[in-house]
Amino acid sequence: DQQVKQNSPSLSVQEGRISILNCDYTNSMFDYFLWYKKYPAEGPTFLISISSIKDKNEDGRFTVFLNKSAKHLSLHIVPSQPGDSAVYFCAASADNAGNMLTFGGGTRLMVKP
Amino acid sequence: KAGVTQTPRYLIKTRGQQVTLSCSPISGHRSVSWYQQTPGQGLQFLFEYFSETQRNKGNFPGRFSGRQFSNSRSEMNVSTLELGDSALYLCASSLKAGGSYEQYFGPGTRLTVT
Repeated sequence: DQQVKQNSPSLSVQEGRISILNCDYTNSMFDYFLWYKKYPAEGPTFLISISSIKDKNEDGRFTVFLNKSAKHLSLHIVPSQPGDSAVYFCAASADNAGNMLTFGGGTRLMVKP
Repeated sequence: KAGVTQTPRYLIKTRGQQVTLSCSPISGHRSVSWYQQTPGQGLQFLFEYFSETQRNKGNFPGRFSGRQFSNSRSEMNVSTLELGDSALYLCASSLKAGGSYEQYFGPGTRLTVT
């Protein structure tokens, strides 16, 4: 039973355009959400997070939107750059579960020059 | 500030052997979590330690164990290795326990079981 799902295994975007990566979750106990970026043979790199009490968090080119009623979050990257090409994972945690993160399956983003 | 370090980076073992992986968290971080990444199952939580105590454990058999030392360094051990244990093992550290703190990952240890 996948509690966090990223339904698009891959996404291709032109440089300079917007990249939108989506994530759905089923566990209503999740109250903190994170996005990580991963290159091959490296550990995930933290990008941005959002608490369930907010619906938007912005950091430079990265914005995360949270729709609690739909149990859906998305990561917007504007403008997309070739260096953004990587696998992106969304992750969720519940405050009563310590630091246990539940990850989605990842979306491979390819930004074409 | 130095990041999370993991040793060794690569390891090849034979079925039936045991292995110990090491993780040094970011200085000042007291929580260490371990994850397994495989192509089929993705990133899965193994366990979390905070102040030398295991706080959470994922759905893995008892062959997977870990510990944390007083300096927050952590080790995980896998006994009686199976082919399916081949994976990238990732360690993550966080400043505090609780779900609202970012976790920072190390580069991982690539374990190959033959």
